[in-house]
Amino acid sequence: QVQLQESGPGLVMPLETLSLTCTVSGGSISSYYWSWMRQPPEKGLEWIGYIYYSGRTRYNPSLKSRVTISVDSSKNQFSLKLSSVTAADTAVYYCARHTQFYNWFDPWGQGTLVTVSS
Amino acid sequence: QSVLTQPPSASGTPGQRVTISCSGSSSNIGSNSVNWYQQLPGTAPKLLIYSNNQRPSGVPDRFSGSKSGTSASLAISGLQSENEADYYCAAWDDSLNGVVFGGGTKLTVL
Repeated sequence: QVQLQESGPGLVMPLETLSLTCTVSGGSISSYYWSWMRQPPEKGLEWIGYIYYSGRTRYNPSLKSRVTISVDSSKNQFSLKLSSVTAADTAVYYCARHTQFYNWFDPWGQGTLVTVSS
Repeated sequence: QSVLTQPPSASGTPGQRVTISCSGSSSNIGSNSVNWYQQLPGTAPKLLIYSNNQRPSGVPDRFSGSKSGTSASLAISGLQSENEADYYCAAWDDSLNGVVFGGGTKLTVL
């Protein structure tokens, strides 16, 4: 079955750009939507945005000015970039397959903790 | 402050039935389907209920979902200790043009 795995630096300096990659295995990235979510320590979930395999994107309005999601179909990967990070961006970041129209997320990656600190 | 409102906590004894509510508005629950996620301690969220009341393969029928107007509910019958987890509701919001989550409900099995 489809599995997702996040990867990237666990520590990012304030005001720099957070970069994460999600690798999809067990299935093709094509013909699906893919989303990023995050969860600050001891807090709830927040949707960051999605990308279609064709490259079409939609972002959470509260993060839109700082977020870029891209896809590399040849590598079966999609990526997240979040610029000008602060301590408030410290969170576990998850990637997931996103079913369009009904907007459910399944499956999810295991998540990766990104800490913003100098 | 989450767009969807859930009680922060819920509890029950083994075998009991508990419900968790999720309140929204006409732009989210009122016009779109609701999905529920279970997050066991230290793990990633897992899809529990989709399209208001559908269970993915492998989810026991002790879990059920419902929706009425701008509110939704998750019910767990025959409560078991392994059901201790955080539960989140989510839905598309037509005004925000994005997915919104509830703040999560921590379920404790006494």
